[in-house]
Amino acid sequence: AQSVTQLGSHVSVSEGALVLLRCNYSSSVPPYLFWYVQYPNQGLQLLLKYTSAATLVKGINGFEAEFKKSETSFHLTKPSAHMSDAAEYFCAVSKGAGTYKYIFGTGTRLKVLA
Amino acid sequence: DADVTQTPRNRITKTGKRIMLECSQTKGHDRMYWYRQDPGLGLRLIYYSFDVKDINKGEISDGYSVSRQAQAKFSLSLESAIPNQTALYFCATSEGSGNQPQHFGDGTRLSIL
Repeated sequence: AQSVTQLGSHVSVSEGALVLLRCNYSSSVPPYLFWYVQYPNQGLQLLLKYTSAATLVKGINGFEAEFKKSETSFHLTKPSAHMSDAAEYFCAVSKGAGTYKYIFGTGTRLKVLA
Repeated sequence: DADVTQTPRNRITKTGKRIMLECSQTKGHDRMYWYRQDPGLGLRLIYYSFDVKDINKGEISDGYSVSRQAQAKFSLSLESAIPNQTALYFCATSEGSGNQPQHFGDGTRLSIL
């Protein structure tokens, strides 16, 4: 069965510091992977997606993620945190084209300290 | 205007009441989904629909029903609301599935007293 694990339900970083949000997945087939961001009182917005074209994926707002098959990981990074990055972040996996099922992680709330 | 619109945004109601949450989209996507979000649990799938005549249960469909009135409209009903259905509900759409991302509405915060 597929699953997604996000390590750390809360992460705090200082403004200007590196952001690293962890996501590990399990899948019996090559997965499609997504990171979403949720700001207060809003729905989830797509940050980036991995669909096997390239292992390093660049997204919006300066975020990127690297697909590492050997580690079954898809960690989200940003070199320099900004106050506006404070939000909740969700990693999601799907089994591939034709499936209806997207499995979401439990989310990581990012706090950015001034 | 938002691509995926949910109404109402907030609702407080009492145990035993029937409630309908509505979702409409302008993205032209065939696939639509209803999720609920609970703190610490992520998003869980309630129902999904691939087109007007294709509606399927998700992992937590008990106590819920849906109606796909048109390609653009997908409603979620709680026939007799209970307090443990208090949650944040999201509608989403996707173009195709699996390898395409989902597009979410801003959610309905539902409280059942």
